[in-house]
Amino acid sequence: AQRVTQPEKLLSVFKGAPVELKCNYSYSGSPELFWYVQYSRQRLQLLLRHISRESIKGFTADLNKGETSFHLKKPFAQEEDSAMYYCALLTGNQFYFGTGTSLTVIP
Amino acid sequence: DAGITQSPRYKITETGRQVTLMCHQTWSHSYMFWYRQDLGHGLRLIYYSAAADITDKGEVPDGYVVSRSKTENFPLTLESATRSQTSVYFCASSSGTGGEKLFFGSGTQLSVL
Repeated sequence: AQRVTQPEKLLSVFKGAPVELKCNYSYSGSPELFWYVQYSRQRLQLLLRHISRESIKGFTADLNKGETSFHLKKPFAQEEDSAMYYCALLTGNQFYFGTGTSLTVIP
Repeated sequence: DAGITQSPRYKITETGRQVTLMCHQTWSHSYMFWYRQDLGHGLRLIYYSAAADITDKGEVPDGYVVSRSKTENFPLTLESATRSQTSVYFCASSSGTGGEKLFFGSGTQLSVL
């Protein structure tokens, strides 16, 4: 069963434009959701988690239980934001990842 | 995050051969995971381990074997490699559940010819 859906495989935006990476999840319990990022030639790393309600590198993500979504947003994209982004759901002991969205910020 | 290391970084093998990918972490994290990363599929969990001598299947365990005799090591073995196992493999660890984040290794790029 697909637990995490990221509908966009590729997303391109211009520098300075707003960006939103979509993530929907399927889980009957209380979800714990994360965004992980993989920059070119770097390891996958945690970007942010919903439980912290934090803003990292200008990105925020709000958990919407009604829409079962956890979209990642940034008001003004920067070139250094170009990367692969994965939404992840933690259930029990397992992290389930979406298929990822490759973000390209055009100068 | 050099505390989790994978080896080899790259591996080319032939169909039918046995291959072992190594993963070592220095944090004494309880949980360790193996993922494979494929275009169109994202990251899929192969196996995970909650502690030494405790392992469990993930989403795509067929064709893989794991062991965890020591907390710090979590090797992944392909008993008889197939072309469909060509992928990038990531090992990860975390200290536990309850919102704990994953720390990833740098990955092993495996090609099965």
